[in-house]
Amino acid sequence: EDKVVQSPLSLVVHEGDTVTLNCSYEVTNFRSLLWYKQEKKAPTFLFMLTSSGIEKKSGRLSSILDKKELFSILNITATQTGDSAVYLCAVTFSGNTGKLIFGQGTTLQVKP
Amino acid sequence: ETGVTQTPRHLVMGMTNKKSLKCEQHLGHNAMYWYKQSAKKPLELMFVYSLEERVENNSVPSRFSPECPNSSHLFLHLHTLQPEDSALYLCASSLENNQPQHFGDGTRLSIL
Repeated sequence: EDKVVQSPLSLVVHEGDTVTLNCSYEVTNFRSLLWYKQEKKAPTFLFMLTSSGIEKKSGRLSSILDKKELFSILNITATQTGDSAVYLCAVTFSGNTGKLIFGQGTTLQVKP
Repeated sequence: ETGVTQTPRHLVMGMTNKKSLKCEQHLGHNAMYWYKQSAKKPLELMFVYSLEERVENNSVPSRFSPECPNSSHLFLHLHTLQPEDSALYLCASSLENNQPQHFGDGTRLSIL
C-alpha cells in the first residue's frame, strides 16, 4: 500500500531556532514530492522535488530529496512566529491520473 | 487571494438534504481536484478532472457526485450524506496533472 509518513507530528520551538521536518514515502511509480504550508485555510505550495540531491531554496526555507532512502527534509532557519503552520508533504505518481497522496502533516508552533 | 474561489464557505445540512459545493479558478489551469480534510487525518484526494474529463476517482461513495462543465468550474453535488462526511472540502487546480496545485480556502461542511 502506498504511504507517506511525516515526522514529527508536532513541534514547538522558539523564534530564531532552526527546524528540520521529515517526510518518508513508500510508493510505486514515484514521480515527485511536494511540500505545502497550511495556516488557517488554503495550503500554499512551497517546493516540488523530482531529483535526488538537488536542494531547493526559498528564503529561510530549503528542501532536498533522497530517492534512494525514500525521504525528503524541509529546513527552516531563523524561525519566526509567522512560520507557525501545518507543513504538508505529498507524493505524485507517474502517468496521467493526477493521483497524489498526502502525509498527516507536521504542526509547527514558533513561540516569541 | 489564491485564484481559486470556493462557495459557500460554510454549510450545515441535514442527512436528507441535497446541496452543491462550487469551485471556480481564474488561473487558466487545465486540471481541478476535490479533497476532503478531516481532523487528524491526511488530506484525501476525492476526484481529479483534466480538461473537463474525470481521470481519477479515489473510491468515493456515490453520495458525492462531481461535475466539471468547463475547465474553470468544478462542482461537488451532495445527497444523503452521513455525519462522518462532516469535514473541510478543498478544491485545487493545476496547470496540468502532476503540477503544483493551488488550493481554495475550502467549504466547512457539517452534517446534522
